[in-house]
Amino acid sequence: EVQLVESGGGLVQPGGSLRVSCAASGFTFSSFAMSWVRQAPGKGPEWVSAITGSGGGTYYADSVKGRFTISRDNSKNTLYLQMNSLRGDDTAVYFCARQRVGAYFGSGSYNYWGQGTLVTVSS
Amino acid sequence: QSVLTQPPSVSGAPGQRVTISCTGSNSNIGAGYDVHWYQQVPGTAPKLLIYGNNNRPSGVPDRFSDSKSGTSASLAITGLQAEDEADYYCQSFDSSLSGSVFGGGTKLTVL
Repeated sequence: EVQLVESGGGLVQPGGSLRVSCAASGFTFSSFAMSWVRQAPGKGPEWVSAITGSGGGTYYADSVKGRFTISRDNSKNTLYLQMNSLRGDDTAVYFCARQRVGAYFGSGSYNYWGQGTLVTVSS
Repeated sequence: QSVLTQPPSVSGAPGQRVTISCTGSNSNIGAGYDVHWYQQVPGTAPKLLIYGNNNRPSGVPDRFSDSKSGTSASLAITGLQAEDEADYYCQSFDSSLSGSVFGGGTKLTVL
């Protein structure tokens, strides 16, 4: 059974940093591109970042480029999102999501999602 | 402001058919990228409902279908049931943004 379990969310002050993690199980982790998708309260999902199966390719939304870094450790089946210079509009539930097919990031759908971890940026 | 535009809400009585539109542009839906649909019950993660050209993951009933034309796509739900009450989102890829894009969501109310 495929499982994605996020952790690491919490309350952080504006300008602060936080790293969220996503532990994957039930599939060959390195064979799939992974993404972080966030959802602010009452809003639709917003794609944040993606990484190829090998970790060699990374992609970012303009809203987080230069502040967030996605990475993965295929030996630990874990996906990470390092978030720096956090702002109030980064407040959201952060989901990790597995691309339905393929190790390369593209136009595919996301067929497995974690339960999400809440990141709140406030003083 | 979402890149893909959806109506905020739709409603229908049990047994009826409803459609939810998703309007994009020439850099996403109009460029030929696939449109995918998700169902989300508040407090839970989005669930993939339809991917690509009208493909349903295992377990999704064939009451759900989609179509695409030009820069828009639509999700149709026939034989509406109370359990269909949820938020629905469309998703595609945008070549200008080089990433996935989502609609703002449509809340379906079953009367």
